[in-house]
Amino acid sequence: EIVLTQSPGTLSLSPGERATLSCRASQSVISRDLAWYQQKLGQAPRLLIYGASNRATGIPDRFSGSGSGTDFTLTISRLEPEDFAVYYCQQYGRSLVTFGGGTKVEIK
Amino acid sequence: EVQLVESGGGLVQPGGSLRLSCAASGFTFTADWMHWVRQVPGKGLVWVSRVDQGGTDTAYADFVKGRFTISRDNSKNTVYLQMDSLRAEDSAIYFCVRDVRYSDCPTFDPWGQGTLVTVSS
Repeated sequence: EIVLTQSPGTLSLSPGERATLSCRASQSVISRDLAWYQQKLGQAPRLLIYGASNRATGIPDRFSGSGSGTDFTLTISRLEPEDFAVYYCQQYGRSLVTFGGGTKVEIK
Repeated sequence: EVQLVESGGGLVQPGGSLRLSCAASGFTFTADWMHWVRQVPGKGLVWVSRVDQGGTDTAYADFVKGRFTISRDNSKNTVYLQMDSLRAEDSAIYFCVRDVRYSDCPTFDPWGQGTLVTVSS
């Protein structure tokens, strides 16, 4: 099983600042199999990024994904008030699915 | 609009059973695998189970294997999760999720709103 470790656990930032979230895999992940989800309080998760770097439909271009192999990054270029939430990375390869533990982006 | 609506959650005693349902609409249900993912409130996401388009190929996380059964009724556009021998640690919000490929990339999109299962005496 591929273990995904997200860091930091909590990111305290102000609106307008840049957020950089990390997702590290215990073994190499095919970029195609890496996705990011956003979950706001009391809501279901929502797909943000698929294939490591592709924005899902309707996702603003301030969100970007990058990385390969074992290291992946989600960047929010300028935080908007609605971006304060928990973010999860996911790998889905060979019919096996695992999620990272999440990074909470909170208002400083 | 693609939509997934779960139902069937509630309070059940340890050792009891519960069946969750997930009604799908807005897409060709028979084209996609479906999954269940759970989340203890305030904690992370954990994959539970999946079923293929025809309902014949299934897979389970080790911690539910032998106790939970996933199935689907394509005539009703519904996926089910039969949960038996429930334990306190099964208490969680259960999300139904569509498995869809965008540019050959596997994703979970969308997610249902979730249904809360509480196992307690």
